[in-house]
Amino acid sequence: DTGVSQDPRHKITKRGQNVTFRCDPISEHNRLYWYRQTLGQGPEFLTYFQNEAQLEKSRLLSDRFSAERPKGSFSTLEIQRTEQGDSAMYLCASSRGSGSETQYFGPGTRLLVL
Amino acid sequence: AQSVTQLDSQVPVFEEAPVELRCNYSSSVSVYLFWYVQYPNQGLQLLLKYLSGSTLVKGINGFEAEFNKSQTSFHLRKPSVHISDTAEYFCAVSVTGYSTLTFGKGTMLLVSP
Repeated sequence: DTGVSQDPRHKITKRGQNVTFRCDPISEHNRLYWYRQTLGQGPEFLTYFQNEAQLEKSRLLSDRFSAERPKGSFSTLEIQRTEQGDSAMYLCASSRGSGSETQYFGPGTRLLVL
Repeated sequence: AQSVTQLDSQVPVFEEAPVELRCNYSSSVSVYLFWYVQYPNQGLQLLLKYLSGSTLVKGINGFEAEFNKSQTSFHLRKPSVHISDTAEYFCAVSVTGYSTLTFGKGTMLLVSP
């Protein structure tokens, strides 16, 4: 069990640029989640996948955000035309299955939009 | 929709003292309850979870929590804290049958010698 990994760990970008983050879940986990955490707040749910299917998206996920999990393994989260309000920690988690299963979190990608 | 309230943003405590971190939730349906810990520059780690059965749940690192349905609470306790317990603690809820977690704002536990 190598844990959930995320890349990059830190990203600084200028407003208006596009950024893409990658998450590699624990290998036997079929569910993958994205959360966003801003300073002083708990993580907020963005979206989740079961295998390659995106099953739920939060209303927080504006049209500028898109997530994929093309082969049911790793996932990418892309933010287009970044805004300063997108500055946050983006967390990825994975689990084996249903809601009772523990979600294992990665270390996060910290995004700073200048 | 469900929500989680963590009443204390910071809890300072001396080493070897007991501690309680409070968590209240709101939901119209049955829920699962979780406590996660986040050490600096690390991801969230599960401390314990309540799914069903005994209302007293024991977790890692000597922590325990008690589910109180009538008070809609899930407070986290440790009888004697260590310096290494200094971290941010998050209470979370998920609706049974669904996967997504709703987190509270977190409580920073500050343990001093």
